[in-house]
Amino acid sequence: TQLLEQSPQFLSIQEGENLTVYCNSSSVFSSLQWYRQEPGEGPVLLVTVVTGGEVKKLKRLTFQFGDARKDSSLHITAAQPGDTGLYLCAVQTGANNLFFGTGTRLTVIP
Amino acid sequence: DTEVTQTPKHLVMGMTNKKSLKCEQHMGHRAMYWYKQKAKKPPELMFVYSYEKLSINESVPSRFSPECPNSSLLNLHLHALQPEDSALYLCASSQGPRYNSPLHFGNGTRLTVT
Repeated sequence: TQLLEQSPQFLSIQEGENLTVYCNSSSVFSSLQWYRQEPGEGPVLLVTVVTGGEVKKLKRLTFQFGDARKDSSLHITAAQPGDTGLYLCAVQTGANNLFFGTGTRLTVIP
Repeated sequence: DTEVTQTPKHLVMGMTNKKSLKCEQHMGHRAMYWYKQKAKKPPELMFVYSYEKLSINESVPSRFSPECPNSSLLNLHLHALQPEDSALYLCASSQGPRYNSPLHFGNGTRLTVT
């Protein structure tokens, strides 16, 4: 059983469409991070959510932390080809241990 | 450009070779990490150094040997690897052992073991 399950695993959409990616767990976390990894590069931090119910916006990306701090979602509005990549949620299971979710691979077709 | 530099970008080695992966950061970060990423999978933690001391070893085989010569450098020494060790090896750093400290990743070394 994975600590963090992401869905969908793969997503292929047309440019301009909206999408939502989910990150779910049965555990409660003090915070959760979202990273994006583009082909040939390392993951890059997008956002950290800390408070239950928190919503953060980053241009066309909207991140929400569940009220119970067990899950999170990422919504992208009007997806663009530059949004293509592997989206990873992650939590710290110890002070120095960042654990990644199963990942969602997004492809935006022009 | 990433602030964490990894060399080489690509490495092909035989099962009897000895090679090293290198990682460098100059952000003053005191925690450094090695992750392994197989194709179509998320990164998996291998080792963590905190203040130049090994703090986490996620049951990694001894054919992988980490070294942290100073707070800016992290090496991963490889010996007698197997083909299934082929993967992208990512180095990362963070400010230190505190929660919510984001990780800064390099672009990885793509390793192929033949």
